[in-house]
Amino acid sequence: GAVVSQHPSWVICKSGTSVKIECRSLDFQATTMFWYRQFPKQSLMLMATSNEGSKATYEQGVEKDKFLINHASLTLSTLTVTSAHPEDSSFYICSARRDSTTYGYTFGSGTRLTVV
Amino acid sequence: AQSVTQLDSHVSVSEGTPVLLRCNYSSSYSPSLFWYVQHPNKGLQLLLKYTSAATLVKGINGFEAEFKKSETSFHLTKPSAHMSDAAEYFCVVSSNSGYSTLTFGKGTMLLVSP
Repeated sequence: GAVVSQHPSWVICKSGTSVKIECRSLDFQATTMFWYRQFPKQSLMLMATSNEGSKATYEQGVEKDKFLINHASLTLSTLTVTSAHPEDSSFYICSARRDSTTYGYTFGSGTRLTVV
Repeated sequence: AQSVTQLDSHVSVSEGTPVLLRCNYSSSYSPSLFWYVQHPNKGLQLLLKYTSAATLVKGINGFEAEFKKSETSFHLTKPSAHMSDAAEYFCVVSSNSGYSTLTFGKGTMLLVSP
């Protein structure tokens, strides 16, 4: 149990376009989901915390108008990279918390975004 | 506040020899500690977790880690490395104070040679 599906696994887009990444909890309800960004050979950096039915909480330095997060249901959160530029190319990973305990985290398989 | 330091960016071992990946942490609260593994272009898989129960934690694929409060360490070990263990490993800390976020170490790349 506790599976998180992230889609797409990779995407290539042109500069100036927008890209939407989906994160779904398949067999549990996730009131909180997290979005991370990972640069090559580096660790994961938390971008934002997404709570179902409310606005996402963004980490310092993350542009909320650039990275739009929507958590419309207990099983789905989306990250939209708007007006993408090559510097937005990265590996994006979502995580869902499946219960109130600290250790109930499950990660998606990640999305490789390349902006050309 | 909480932080994690992974002491080695790369560790190289031969297949069949022991693995030691080092991790030190700091936390204002009683911590939860995790080790995750990431294969190239993949998400993170939980290897094991410490959550204030037994200090020696056994995980999947033969890995284990020991929580040492006096040394603020949570090193990951495996008696005998396999080629399939080659991956990036992340030590992660979270406080036990309710809905705490995860803080990741910078990762250790494990290289396994035949």
